[in-house]
Amino acid sequence: SAVISQKPSRDICQRGTSLTIQCQVDSQVTMMFWYRQQPGQSLTLIATANQGSEATYESGFVIDKFPISRPNLTFSTLTVSNMSPEDSSIYLCSVGDRRETQYFGPGTRLLVL
Amino acid sequence: GENVEQHPSTLSVQEGDSAVIKCTYSDSASNYFPWYKQELGKRPQLIIDIRSNVGEKKDQRIAVTLNKTAKHFSLHITETQPEDSAVYFCAASYSGSYIPTFGRGTSLIVHP
Repeated sequence: SAVISQKPSRDICQRGTSLTIQCQVDSQVTMMFWYRQQPGQSLTLIATANQGSEATYESGFVIDKFPISRPNLTFSTLTVSNMSPEDSSIYLCSVGDRRETQYFGPGTRLLVL
Repeated sequence: GENVEQHPSTLSVQEGDSAVIKCTYSDSASNYFPWYKQELGKRPQLIIDIRSNVGEKKDQRIAVTLNKTAKHFSLHITETQPEDSAVYFCAASYSGSYIPTFGRGTSLIVHP
């Protein structure tokens, strides 16, 4: 499976600021996704990152709050904008292979004060 | 859309015992069922998966069974070890979707 890295691994931010999370894959992948995992909870899909076009957002998530870029088949960014303490969470990128299996990056732990 | 229910939410066993985690799904079109293990502070990792053309799959101490008629699937871990302690997530998806629906997770605690 692909090797997936994320930066930063963790951050503490002040409310009202924005944070951009980077996801890098060591091989070209068609499907890339961004998830949120709140403490003790399951995995919630934020959006599918589409290369060359706008991301596809799930219900409850909007582009103004979570803008996503996907400039090529190995890289994507997720920005968490105008943060509030409710945005404190783990953010994970994932990639899908031809068998439709998803593999996750190590995650970014975000704490908003 | 798909709905995946997972039980129990917490499972505590003694080392060497077996553990069973059960999931049900609602969409009969779902045909791919992966299981993920997430250790504390780590990423979810795929441990086993099954497709709807198979009723059971085993990999050493873990096995997954699928009952398409009843729309449920289960993870079985035999001879549990303390390193099996983690949160386990089941998921369901259908061909072409690439996006699984996850269960709420089961926290497995294996006491030495």
